[in-house]
Amino acid sequence: QKEVEQNSGPLSVPEGAIASLNCTYSDRGSQSFFWYRQYSGKSPELIMFIYSNGDKEDGRFTAQLNKASQYVSLLIRDSQPSDSATYLCAVNNAGNMLTFGGGTRLMVKP
Amino acid sequence: DTGVSQNPRHKITKRGQNVTFRCDPISEHNRLYWYRQTLGQGPEFLTYFQNEAQLEKSRLLSDRFSAERPKGSFSTLEIQRTEQGDSAMYLCASSYRPDEAFFGQGTRLTVV
Repeated sequence: QKEVEQNSGPLSVPEGAIASLNCTYSDRGSQSFFWYRQYSGKSPELIMFIYSNGDKEDGRFTAQLNKASQYVSLLIRDSQPSDSATYLCAVNNAGNMLTFGGGTRLMVKP
Repeated sequence: DTGVSQNPRHKITKRGQNVTFRCDPISEHNRLYWYRQTLGQGPEFLTYFQNEAQLEKSRLLSDRFSAERPKGSFSTLEIQRTEQGDSAMYLCASSYRPDEAFFGQGTRLTVV
């Protein structure tokens, strides 16, 4: 079992819709959680991080964390074609490294 | 540009050759990481420096791989006797906080 699991997609949503990206992790000791966006051929770009249970909002993005269910999600409201990318979930287990999921490819269709 | 800088951006090498990549982190960041990413996968941790000290190494980092960070500034990653399985994107990241990571543009290695 992988430590961080994501559905590889593609997840296809129409422009203006809400895109919901999900991630589960296996280590209950995980302390911090990150979402990165990666355009094809480019490096990962940090979008959001969350440490506590609940929701954290930043513009069109909302990260949700449920430690009891070992579940992290990212909601993108008013999805735009420019949001089309691979979204990587990453987890820190109180060490000095991030463990990444395989990423979910999001396609926003005009 | 004050982001993480990696050179070269692309490297094509013949199997068995040695290659070296360079990473210049964001200047105030004392933490530096190397990751490797293959197509369709998320980045995998290779090694971590705090200042000039290499504090963690992944089991992925075989003895053909070596990394240095002299003087706690830039870092180099060397791969000796390259193999086709080494073909990947090599990503460098730096941070000030212990768990955030800001990535450079990566070095894409192709071993032929």
